[in-house]
Amino acid sequence: DAKTTQPNSMESNEEEPVHLPCNHSTISGTDYIHWYRQLPSQGPEYVIHGLTSNVNNRMASLAIAEDRKSSTLILHRATLRDAAVYYCILSPTVNSGNTPLVFGKGTRLSVIA
Amino acid sequence: DGGITQSPKYLFRKEGQNVTLSCEQNLNHDAMYWYRQDPGQGLRLIYYSQIVNDFQKGDIAEGYSVSREKKESFPLTVTSAQKNPTAFYLCASSTDFSYEQYFGPGTRLTVT
Repeated sequence: DAKTTQPNSMESNEEEPVHLPCNHSTISGTDYIHWYRQLPSQGPEYVIHGLTSNVNNRMASLAIAEDRKSSTLILHRATLRDAAVYYCILSPTVNSGNTPLVFGKGTRLSVIA
Repeated sequence: DGGITQSPKYLFRKEGQNVTLSCEQNLNHDAMYWYRQDPGQGLRLIYYSQIVNDFQKGDIAEGYSVSREKKESFPLTVTSAQKNPTAFYLCASSTDFSYEQYFGPGTRLTVT
């Protein structure tokens, strides 16, 4: 299974941009890159996903390196409500009996007021 | 409102008792999952099911059992064989493995 590597923790000031990195050097050509986040005492929630091109949605942006061996989740203006654990996960584009998403330990983002 | 419900939110049991955690979804999703989370750790997959009447073991299935008799429901039984059952249990569903997973609010199980 292709694995991801993320920093254990990061800190950001409120209202500043946050760049959360993820390395996935063994990614295959058909793996999607997913990001989820987990607020304290809640289940994870989907943030964004992409394959090759950069993606934007109302929550965040996903920047994918040209070689796809790394990606960065960008929160444009961090708020206190963005304090959470962020998970970077790979999944195949085609369901061919592969195992489902594997959640690592993620990056714990702290936001300072 | 579509979503996933887990009940109860908090559950307390004595050691040696089996306990069943409920998970129901009305999203018409085929795939459902159970994860366990210990303090400060990521999620670990217990069991998953792609279709009704079929399920597969995840990474830590020992001491747990599941059933999938209906598309909407995927209950998890924590048996007395599970050595460290105290944990936060999360249920999720998705259209299939490649699609976005929706998570329930979780059940915090404490066994003493």
